[in-house]
Amino acid sequence: EVQLVESGGGLVQPGGSLRLSCAASGFTVSNNYMNWVRQAPGKGLEWVSVIYSAGTTYYADSVKGRFTISRDNSKNTVYLEMNSLRAEDTALYYCARDHIVTAFDIWGQGTMVTVSS
Amino acid sequence: EIVLTQSPDTLSLSPGERATLSCRASQSVSSSSLAWYQQKPGQAPRLLIYGASSRATGIPDRFSGSGSGTDFILTITRLEPEDFAVYYCQQYGNSPPWGFGQGTKVEVK
Repeated sequence: EVQLVESGGGLVQPGGSLRLSCAASGFTVSNNYMNWVRQAPGKGLEWVSVIYSAGTTYYADSVKGRFTISRDNSKNTVYLEMNSLRAEDTALYYCARDHIVTAFDIWGQGTMVTVSS
Repeated sequence: EIVLTQSPDTLSLSPGERATLSCRASQSVSSSSLAWYQQKPGQAPRLLIYGASSRATGIPDRFSGSGSGTDFILTITRLEPEDFAVYYCQQYGNSPPWGFGQGTKVEVK
């Protein structure tokens, strides 16, 4: 079965760090574009970051310089390292496969990040 | 960065009625790079339409997408009870950043 399972969310103080994981099954992450998308409570979807199959990475301006996307091919897992966290980073973070032509076709269930003192 | 604006914010309709949702881009979007998603409370988004008009796997044919350039439409021909949800358009493809519209909520009238 093709699926994504996120983990690593939690409560963190402003200025703190957190690493999210997205474990894939049924397909190979290194052959796909893999994204993180977040959704603040009661709000819409916001694209955060992508890692291309070639390893190139891109970020939304709101997280550039603070977040880092990476992957471990041996574990078939994508990560999002989040530093200097702010209250406005509070959101449900989804991992999503971008099958290029067919858009974001596979989504995980999300992992919640709360930034609060 | 391309900004997507959806209208209306809320659409109040009855089961069996036709729903027409609009997505307008701040600059021209390739038709191969416009998608629509459905999201129900407590669930992840689900891909409905990609490439402006192609239905994703398993999506019923009452859902259809159309449009080009800066104006795109999602049509649900006859609303079923399970179709009441929030719908998002998205620009994707070659050049990030990729944006989502703010969403249209389709609610029961």
